[in-house]
Amino acid sequence: AQSVAQPEDQVNVAEGNPLTVKCTYSVSGNPYLFWYVQYPNRGLQFLLKYITGDNLVKGSYGFEAEFNKSQTSFHLKKPSALVSDSALYFCAVRPRGGYNKLIFGAGTRLAVHP
Amino acid sequence: GAGVSQSPSNKVTEKGKDVELRCDPISGHTALYWYRQSLGQGLEFLIYFQGNSAPDKSGLPSDRFSAERTGGSVSTLTIQRTQQEDSAVYLCASSMGLAGGAGNEQFFGPGTRLTVL
Repeated sequence: AQSVAQPEDQVNVAEGNPLTVKCTYSVSGNPYLFWYVQYPNRGLQFLLKYITGDNLVKGSYGFEAEFNKSQTSFHLKKPSALVSDSALYFCAVRPRGGYNKLIFGAGTRLAVHP
Repeated sequence: GAGVSQSPSNKVTEKGKDVELRCDPISGHTALYWYRQSLGQGLEFLIYFQGNSAPDKSGLPSDRFSAERTGGSVSTLTIQRTQQEDSAVYLCASSMGLAGGAGNEQFFGPGTRLTVL
């Protein structure tokens, strides 16, 4: 079965420190990869996506993600965390070839402490 | 409109009642999706519309759930005879995507929080 795993329910990091939110997937072929963020009482906001090309993808708010095909991972990173980055982060994949629904991970809550 | 809108933002209903949730996608987006987000869980795909094609209903959890998309724009998700386990946030998304299109991101609405008492 196709699936997305976010192994950490919560990630805690001090403001100014680098952060990583992990994502691995089990999907056949070369899927499209996405990160979304959800702030309290708001809908999901698109952060970044990987289609093809450079394995390091840069997105909104200083976030980036690294695609690793051999490890089937797409970890979200930021060099210096802000308190305002505290939110719920979702990794999602979309298999290629006319299969349009996103398969989401369970989400990781990021808490950035002052 | 500027983004995906959904109404109502909150809905409280009694077990056994029917509810309708509405989604207005971004103008010009041909694809529309419904997802369900239960407390403490990720998003669960429900149904997908693409243009005039037959919808992908593979995610609907039971025959109490149905959805329509009129005129290729507004969509309504209907839940009949609601149960307490239907309580969740129902999210709608739209995208430019055509089937097999290159990774078009989905833009999400704020959701409708459904509470079944």
